[in-house]
Amino acid sequence: NAGVTQTPKFQVLKTGQSMTLQCAQNMNHEYMSWYRQDPGMGLRLIHYSVGAGITDQGEVPNGYNVSRSTTEDFPLRLLSAAPSQTSVYFCASSYSPRTSGGNTQYFGPGTRLTVL
Amino acid sequence: AQSVTQLGSHVSVSEGALVLLRCNYSSSVPPYLFWYVQYPNQGLQLLLKYTSAATLVKGINGFEAEFKKSETSFHLTKPSAHMSDAAEYFCAVSGLMDSSYKLIFGSGTRLLVRP
Repeated sequence: NAGVTQTPKFQVLKTGQSMTLQCAQNMNHEYMSWYRQDPGMGLRLIHYSVGAGITDQGEVPNGYNVSRSTTEDFPLRLLSAAPSQTSVYFCASSYSPRTSGGNTQYFGPGTRLTVL
Repeated sequence: AQSVTQLGSHVSVSEGALVLLRCNYSSSVPPYLFWYVQYPNQGLQLLLKYTSAATLVKGINGFEAEFKKSETSFHLTKPSAHMSDAAEYFCAVSGLMDSSYKLIFGSGTRLLVRP
């Protein structure tokens, strides 16, 4: 089935631990992105990628790293987890808006992260 | 800079009543506008989008939205609410230049449907 997958669904970390949230899509989308969702704040862009080997920062990039070695995968790394990173994380992908007109992004089911 | 304002963090309607969720945007260039829906413990699903074609956009599940440039609005409506419409709804904007890769979301409106 075509879509965006994320693992794990739930994760509990202790302050200072590191981990990687996985994201994969099988739609050959050029564009991928990571958002965090916090109550009353909507979704905020963390990092995004316009293609393999190309990444850039979004609105709230501090404390997160990304890389894009393949078209399909876009992992998000937390280098040293902090309680402020407790959130729900969503990965999304889309075709290039330049070719499809309008950036319709397809979202994964999310990862709920708690940092103690 | 682009921004989105959704008026009302919670909206409650009776089943069968009109649904109106408000969204106002700020953009220095003609925008693309989107409405997404999020059901409990799920990701976001596209309801509809405006891409400078028709100003009245029809989406899934009987929802529609009208782009009004003079009011910088893109309100979401549905004539008759169903219990299954209970969810959180997000309005989002992106531009037509390089920033069009980025979606800017509003803070969301939770729709409650009373029996």
